[in-house]
Amino acid sequence: NAGVTQTPKFRVLKTGQSMTLLCAQDMNHEYMYWYRQDPGMGLRLIHYSVGEGTTAKGEVPDGYNVSRLKKQNFLLGLESAAPSQTSVYFCASSYTGSTDTQYFGPGTRLTVL
Amino acid sequence: KNQVEQSPQSLIILEGKNCTLQCNYTVSPFSNLRWYKQDTGRGPVSLTIMTFSENTKSNGRYTATLDADTKQSSLHITASQLSDSASYICVVSDYQLIWGAGTKLIIKP
Repeated sequence: NAGVTQTPKFRVLKTGQSMTLLCAQDMNHEYMYWYRQDPGMGLRLIHYSVGEGTTAKGEVPDGYNVSRLKKQNFLLGLESAAPSQTSVYFCASSYTGSTDTQYFGPGTRLTVL
Repeated sequence: KNQVEQSPQSLIILEGKNCTLQCNYTVSPFSNLRWYKQDTGRGPVSLTIMTFSENTKSNGRYTATLDADTKQSSLHITASQLSDSASYICVVSDYQLIWGAGTKLIIKP
């Protein structure tokens, strides 16, 4: 099993460009999450999904959109990137709710110039 | 406001030595507390989970303690190894997860 995978691993964008981060999990988990991690701060939840076809806002959703068309995939989109979105993005999944053990992908390092 | 504070921010110790990392929280109501290990360039991996009624939980050389009355937890690492170099993150749950900023641990040979 690959667990949770993320693509791409690195990306550099110019301000105003758009991109999509892809997360895939092969553990048949219902719940999936997108976090950002910034220096000196805890992980912050951007959006999450409790099942195929559902999404919900987390702590810092502004500037991001998500989709969960298939149970195994969770996409994070940036429509118009800003320098404040420079961060490391992690996808995670869990079998049940958010208090269950979450399994993380390797992360995507995004730089917005 | 629900918060999780970890100390120290960073710690350097020699290989083979023991160390203790601290976590103080103000999260209420309390569901459980987890410690995650995050290697450089990787996602966090769960080490231990403790519920309200548990005082101690071990995972190999890692031992977590919880004092729900004082809202404090610690992670003790015994006989440290180079592979223990990582960030250790405390995460407390009420109905959502509150993540600490982590302690960066460096083990020197």
